Amino acid sequence: AQSVTQLDSQVPVFEEAPVELRCNYSSSVSVYLFWYVQYPNQGLQLLLKYLSGSTLVESINGFEAEFNKSQTSFHLRKPSVHISDTAEYFCAVSGNDYKLSFGAGTTVTVRA
Amino acid sequence: DAMVIQNPRYQVTQFGKPVTLSCSQTLNHNVMYWYQQKSSQAPKLLFHYYDKDFNNEADTPDNFQSRRPNTSFCFLDIRSPGLGDAAMYLCATGRVHEQYFGPGTRLTVT
Repeated sequence: AQSVTQLDSQVPVFEEAPVELRCNYSSSVSVYLFWYVQYPNQGLQLLLKYLSGSTLVESINGFEAEFNKSQTSFHLRKPSVHISDTAEYFCAVSGNDYKLSFGAGTTVTVRA
Repeated sequence: DAMVIQNPRYQVTQFGKPVTLSCSQTLNHNVMYWYQQKSSQAPKLLFHYYDKDFNNEADTPDNFQSRRPNTSFCFLDIRSPGLGDAAMYLCATGRVHEQYFGPGTRLTVT
């Protein structure tokens, strides 16, 4: 079985400042890691994923995450946030059963 | 565009009155999932289908049922909704380890 811990429940940040959302996982098997974003009253959108290969993965809107096996982490970063990045962010892990285990979520609020 | 569609987006039902939520997909994925998400919480998996093979999570209440008549459609039936069943219900489809979510149906129980 796998599990995910998101270390920050709320992250307030000023526009154009950097942000980091922390995610740690535990698993006894090979893992596949994801970050999803959820805007109010909407479904989850896949932001980026680590399945294999390069440990640094990037999204089209400037987010990146790095898979660190030794620290069992998959932290999400963005060097400069916009107001439109205000949302809930979920880290998730999948194992061999194709089910996702989600973290509790991190609310990012970007202020002008 | 290929996608996951959920109808309706908002559903109001009365306490104890059966309700059905629907999900369709054009991605042709063989796995479909139903999640319940309560306010400020992570999504909680209720059940999933691998093709027509139904898999119930151990803690999913009997009040929740599902049907998948074909690859494209999946339904969530709540037989006797209680106030505690008010939530966002998310449908997702799966390809290997990736899941693609619909916009959700927000259920209100009065």
